[in-house]
Amino acid sequence: EVQLQESGPGLVKPSQSLSLTCSVTGYSITSNYWGWIRKFPGNKMEWMGYISYSGSTSYNPSLKSRISITRDTSKNQFFLQLNSVTTEDTATYYCARGSILRIMDAWGQGASVTVSS
Amino acid sequence: IQLTQSPSLLSASVGDRVTLSCKGSQNINNYLAWYQQKLGEAPKLLIYNTNSLQTGIPSRFSGSGSGTDYTLTISSLQPEDVATYFCYQYNNGLTFGSGTKLEIK
Repeated sequence: EVQLQESGPGLVKPSQSLSLTCSVTGYSITSNYWGWIRKFPGNKMEWMGYISYSGSTSYNPSLKSRISITRDTSKNQFFLQLNSVTTEDTATYYCARGSILRIMDAWGQGASVTVSS
Repeated sequence: IQLTQSPSLLSASVGDRVTLSCKGSQNINNYLAWYQQKLGEAPKLLIYNTNSLQTGIPSRFSGSGSGTDYTLTISSLQPEDVATYFCYQYNNGLTFGSGTKLEIK
């Protein structure tokens, strides 16, 4: 059974970078697609981007200048970096596995990140 | 594609047939999924490709629709169905609806 677990700082200062790790067990990240999604206070969900089985990436155009998703296949982990954060980036961040159609069928429990000075 | 869900809050009784709506700003071509998210938990995939039930999901959940208009139906509401439900389209970009919070009356 695939399991995903997000980890990283829960508090980030404005203008700094947000970095999260998704550790995957029970399934290789060299298959499928692996994405980041966030949920804002008030319930709005936003797809941020994904990295494919081959290492190619796709990002939400609204974030394209600030986001980077990378991976370490030897550790079966993938990573999110979001630069120049503001308070509007305060959210719960989820990592998820996606199918070829980008249907996210397995999710982590989520990591709450607050951007505040 | 923007997705609009209605209602934003739904209160129903145990045993009721419940219908949640999701409307796209453009044709979604049936590339629509539904997720259930209980408080403090990860989202769970219920339905994909409009009407395909994900493995392990109770048969009281069903999906339908076409074009821009889609529906999630719970045939007999159970207490454990209290959650927020999101629709998600993967036809053109990847976007989520605003959610419907389902409560027990």
